[in-house]
Amino acid sequence: DVKVTQSSRYLVKRTGEKVFLECVQDMDHENMFWYRQDPGLGLRLIYFSYDVKMKEKGDIPEGYSVSREKKERFSLILESASTNQTSMYLCASSLGGHYSITYEQYFGPGTRLTVT
Amino acid sequence: DAKTTQPTSMDCAEGRAANLPCNHSTISGNEYVYWYRQIHSQGPQYIIHGLKNNETNEMASLIITEDRKSSTLILPHATLRDTAVYYCIVRVAGNQAGTALIFGKGTTLSVSS
Repeated sequence: DVKVTQSSRYLVKRTGEKVFLECVQDMDHENMFWYRQDPGLGLRLIYFSYDVKMKEKGDIPEGYSVSREKKERFSLILESASTNQTSMYLCASSLGGHYSITYEQYFGPGTRLTVT
Repeated sequence: DAKTTQPTSMDCAEGRAANLPCNHSTISGNEYVYWYRQIHSQGPQYIIHGLKNNETNEMASLIITEDRKSSTLILPHATLRDTAVYYCIVRVAGNQAGTALIFGKGTTLSVSS
């Protein structure tokens, strides 16, 4: 069974802290994604990666960075957490390659981050 | 990418077919139609996708009109567990930068007994 796991379901951090959100997939997928989901705004893409050490900015990369040192792991980093980064964070993965658009994305359960 | 329009909410009785419409009148010839759903407090789940032809899998059927300007997701026998937000997404095939999905607001389907 395909699986995408995220390090925490719930996380509470203070303003200014450095926050790491980890995502691991066991499907040998090339592509990995980080989204955030907010009421009324839907899911918005933060960053994605199509290969180890490769990354591309999504729609809302400001205030975030990512790291992909191994194929199965994609980390989202909040360098200095702020209250407007309180949100649900979702990681996803998919097969890559030329026809990657036809491959479905598999999502993790999400991490609800609260920054106080 | 083509914009999609979905009703905000729909109701369905348990055991009946749920037909969820989606308009994508500006869809291009190389854009696929995807459907995902998100059950409360979970990550989105892939349901089905298609390009031109109708598609069916163990979860649902996807009917795409001949002009490809609209589609309908059909859950043949809705259950209470199908209560979720359903997202219709169109996305062009292409380079690596085009592999992400853009989720709109979706349709909230409420299945009741």
